[in-house]
Amino acid sequence: GQSLEQPSEVTAVEGAIVQINCTYQTSGFYGLSWYQQHDGGAPTFLSYNALDGLEETGRFSSFLSRSDSYGYLLLQELQMKDSASYFCAVRDPDSNYQLIWGAGTKLIIKP
Amino acid sequence: NAGVTQTPKFQVLKTGQSMTLQCAQDMNHNSMYWYRQDPGMGLRLIYYSASEGTTDKGEVPNGYNVSRLNKREFSLRLESAAPSQTSVYFCASSEISRTEAFFGQGTRLTVV
Repeated sequence: GQSLEQPSEVTAVEGAIVQINCTYQTSGFYGLSWYQQHDGGAPTFLSYNALDGLEETGRFSSFLSRSDSYGYLLLQELQMKDSASYFCAVRDPDSNYQLIWGAGTKLIIKP
Repeated sequence: NAGVTQTPKFQVLKTGQSMTLQCAQDMNHNSMYWYRQDPGMGLRLIYYSASEGTTDKGEVPNGYNVSRLNKREFSLRLESAAPSQTSVYFCASSEISRTEAFFGQGTRLTVV
């Protein structure tokens, strides 16, 4: 089956840089995505990597290594508003391409 | 640009009552999903519909039924609500070939 693993919680300081890792196991790979969810809100799309390398979108970057089945989300210049849960997700070709989600990483930012 | 619209936003049910959660998307997406999220946990797939006319069970389908009414609408029905179904329910949609999914604002359901 398909599975993703990510840390349950990460703590960082405002203004710093933090990396949230995700490892996955899939029978076929169709890209790795990242979502952000604030408490009480809905998940919102952040980034998508289909090829190896780094994708940058403002303060957020996402990296993928297909050979290592590994990716990470990098958040720079952390702000208090970045306090949220972050989920990685892949598509499962064995189940009609339904989305498979990691359990989420809660990012705690301290002033 | 509405995106994904879910109704209702909040609901309190008594054990044994039934209800239907409605979801509609205006992005012409083929795939639609229903998830539940319990406090401090990730998303668990209840049912999904890869395209109009098809539905499939996800990870936690027991106690739920779905209907893909047309390409836009995907409803979730609880026939006999139980306290274990207290959760936040999210509807989402996406294209089959892409991973980017768009979510509704969620339905906070409490079963007493």
